[in-house]
Amino acid sequence: SQTIHQWPATLVQPVGSPLSLECTVEGTSNPNLYWYRQAAGRGLQLLFYSVGIGQISSEVPQNLSASRPQDRQFILSSKKLLLSDSGFYLCAWSATYEQYFGPGTRLTVT
Amino acid sequence: EDQVTQSPEALRLQEGESSSLNCSYTVSGLRGLFWYRQDPGKGPEFLFTLYSAGEEKEKERLKATLTKKESFLHITAPKPEDSATYLCAVPGGYQLIWGAGTKLIIKP
Repeated sequence: SQTIHQWPATLVQPVGSPLSLECTVEGTSNPNLYWYRQAAGRGLQLLFYSVGIGQISSEVPQNLSASRPQDRQFILSSKKLLLSDSGFYLCAWSATYEQYFGPGTRLTVT
Repeated sequence: EDQVTQSPEALRLQEGESSSLNCSYTVSGLRGLFWYRQDPGKGPEFLFTLYSAGEEKEKERLKATLTKKESFLHITAPKPEDSATYLCAVPGGYQLIWGAGTKLIIKP
C-alpha cells in the first residue's frame, strides 16, 4: 500500500530564515506530487505540482520554490521566510485524479 | 470557468439528527467528484469518488450521491466523532478544483 510522509510536523522559524520541507511517497512509481497551503479556517491553496522528476509547475507567485530531485521526493523551500508564509503545508500524491494527503507541517513564522 | 461551491459553510447538528451537505459544480466534462474529510490539524482523508449521475457510495453513516450538477453527502444518525470539515473536489487538468468545505459539528 502507498504511504506519504512529511516532516517536520511542526516548525517555528524567524522571519528571514530559510525553509525546507520534505515529502516522500512509498509504494507507487511516478506519482503526481502537490504542495498545498491552508491558512487557519480556510480552504486549500495549490502552490506547486509536479508530474515527473525535475518538472515543477507553480500556481501562485511567491517567495517559495519546489523541487523534485527523485521520483518520490518533493521538497518545498524558501530562501527568506515572510510572516505571511505561516500556515499548514500539505503534500499530496495522485496516480490518476484523486489525491492522497500527508499529515502536514504546521509552520509558524515569528 | 470550472467551479465548486459547498453549502452550508457550517452545520451544527444534535447527535442522531440526520442531514445533508451540498457540493455544486460547474465543469466541462466531469471526470469524477471526490469527497474528503479533514480533522483539525490533519491532512484531508479521501472518502469517495463518484463518476456518473445516479451513482451512490456509502461508508458507515455517510452516503454520497451525484447528479449532473451537484453532489450530496448524506449523514445518517451522526455521532460526535463525525465532526470534521468535509471537502469536495473535481478534476481540472492535473489539479483538483476544491470547494471551501462544510464544517460539521455534532453535539452530544
